[in-house]
Amino acid sequence: GQQLNQSPQSMFIQEGEDVSMNCTSSSIFNTWLWYKQDPGEGPVLLIALYKAGELTSNGRLTAQFGITRKDSFLNISASIPSDVGIYFCAGLPLTGGTSYGKLTFGQGTILTVHP
Amino acid sequence: SQTIHQWPATLVQPVGSPLSLECTVEGTSNPNLYWYRQAAGRGLQLLFYSVGIGQISSEVPQNLSASRPQDRQFILSSKKLLLSDSGFYLCAWSVRPAGELFFGEGSRLTVL
Repeated sequence: GQQLNQSPQSMFIQEGEDVSMNCTSSSIFNTWLWYKQDPGEGPVLLIALYKAGELTSNGRLTAQFGITRKDSFLNISASIPSDVGIYFCAGLPLTGGTSYGKLTFGQGTILTVHP
Repeated sequence: SQTIHQWPATLVQPVGSPLSLECTVEGTSNPNLYWYRQAAGRGLQLLFYSVGIGQISSEVPQNLSASRPQDRQFILSSKKLLLSDSGFYLCAWSVRPAGELFFGEGSRLTVL
């Protein structure tokens, strides 16, 4: 089945620094999603990408859908302490049918921001 | 607007006891519903998904079962819990065709 390789696994940064993380796959995906999970809570959708090459921003967050459909990245600019959490990428396979709506998740990037 | 709720938020159960986690979605009709488990660490493992009432697909053979008695209700159950069932359980919904998943608050299960 499809697998997503998310990197880095963890990041320790100073407040104010920019952050970049990415996901790659050997399979083609139709949709890329980025989630953030705070401790003890469910993941929250940050950005959704639907077209190859698409670049979308949400405040200090920017994400891109790779032109090959096999990768995506998320950037966070000028990090603040509340950015702390686990960030997940997720991809929706190109094919429908029984796999419809079943996302493949990356393993997550743990972000720590030091004040 | 759509909302999703799951309960209980926290549960401590002895080995061999039954389990019932409930999830309801409001503000949408005929959603796809999912149960995920997140073990210590962070990966999200899909356990069950449902495209309609009474329609359940299992992703991983295990000690758990799921049911969908109503359009917007999804229940995760076990007759006898194992230690390995401990984890953070997440209910989620999506509406075709976008595929975006929206998660509930999560239920922390500790089996002792």
